[in-house]
Formats: sequence, C-alpha cells, structure tokens
Amino acid sequence: TQLLEQSPQFLSIQEGENLTVYCNSSSVFSSLQWYRQEPGEGPVLLVTVVTGGEVKKLKRLTFQFGDARKDSSLHITAAQPGDTGLYLCGRGSQGNLIFGKGTKLSVKP
Amino acid sequence: NAGVTQTPKFQVLKTGQSMTLQCAQDMNHNSMYWYRQDPGMGLRLIYYSASEGTTDKGEVPNGYNVSRLNKREFSLRLESAAPSQTSVYFCASSVSALDPTYEQYFGPGTRLTVT
Repeated sequence: TQLLEQSPQFLSIQEGENLTVYCNSSSVFSSLQWYRQEPGEGPVLLVTVVTGGEVKKLKRLTFQFGDARKDSSLHITAAQPGDTGLYLCGRGSQGNLIFGKGTKLSVKP
Repeated sequence: NAGVTQTPKFQVLKTGQSMTLQCAQDMNHNSMYWYRQDPGMGLRLIYYSASEGTTDKGEVPNGYNVSRLNKREFSLRLESAAPSQTSVYFCASSVSALDPTYEQYFGPGTRLTVT
C-alpha cells in the first residue's frame, strides 16, 4: 500500500531555477522526514518536521509541513547541479518509516 | 567512525543460490533495518530489529530471513534466491525504533542481481 504520494516523479531543470516537490497522504503524519539520495549512495536525512505549519530552512532548501499534517513540501531556490538526486519523504508508522517513491531531480549546468 | 557498512557491494547469484548480506554499525544504535529499493518503488522495509535480540517483519519479508548477531551487526539471508529479489539492498540504523523522528543512517547499499 502506497501511503505517501510524491510529485512530480521526475523533474529536470536548469541551474538557477526554483522548484517545489510535494509529499502527500490521506492520513495524518505524526512526523515527516525528507532524505536526499545521490546516485550509488544511501539516503541522507535533510530534515525532520513534527509540528503542523512548521517551516524549516536549510540553506537554499525550505521545508514546510501542512497545517493538517497530511502534506509537506520541499522548495529549492536557485538550484545547483549538486542538488541532483532522489528526494524521498518518509512518515513515522508504528516505530518505522514508510517512504514515498521519491522525486528524481536533475539540475543541468 | 565508519557509520553503517555493508558487504558485499555487488553480487550476482543464480536462481536457487543462497547468500547472506552483512551489515554493521559503529554508532551504538539500538535499532537496525533492512530495505530494498527497486526502480519506481521507493524504499520498502524488509525486516527490522528494534533492539538486540528482537526482529520483526516489515512490508516485504517473504523470501528473507534476518539475524541480529549483536548490537552492531544485522544480517539478511536469502535462502533460495529468485529473479524477483534483484534489487539494491540498504541497511540502516537509528537510535531507537520507538521514535521515528530519530534519523536513520543508511549504508552504501548492496547491488544484487539474480539470474
């Protein structure tokens, strides 16, 4: 069962552009994590959000947790080739994480 | 401090062969996990170990067994490999499975092909 929907599935942009990717569910999250996975590597945690309406910033990345805690977004400002990778969201579920299928981002120089 | 290590990095098996994937962490974490990652499917949990001495099934446990050898090591065994088990396998660890806000630290993965 796919509990988390991520969109878009693929995104290819030029360096300097802005972008937003989304993570949605029909049920409430207790917490949500965003990971980035580079080709040939394991995922690395970017941020954890736990409070509805929460906004966290990590340099050029802005993470938002929806007020109802059913959705989250990741906005990247002035994307760089180093941002290329697979962005995964994961929600807490019975002591584990359930992951979405991810958004594959390619930033061309 | 190596974090999470996995061996081997690549493996090719014939249908019906068996093998064990090894995972070790040096962060004194209580909980460890095995995932598989397939194109278009994201990460799916195979088994996890909330603490030393315990193991539990995840979303896709069929065809796999696990052993939590000690606090550091968590192995995944394929008793009779099938082509459907061709995938990239990731091991991860965290401070505690009881709180999913704890970061999971992932290993570099094992790329397994079953022919």
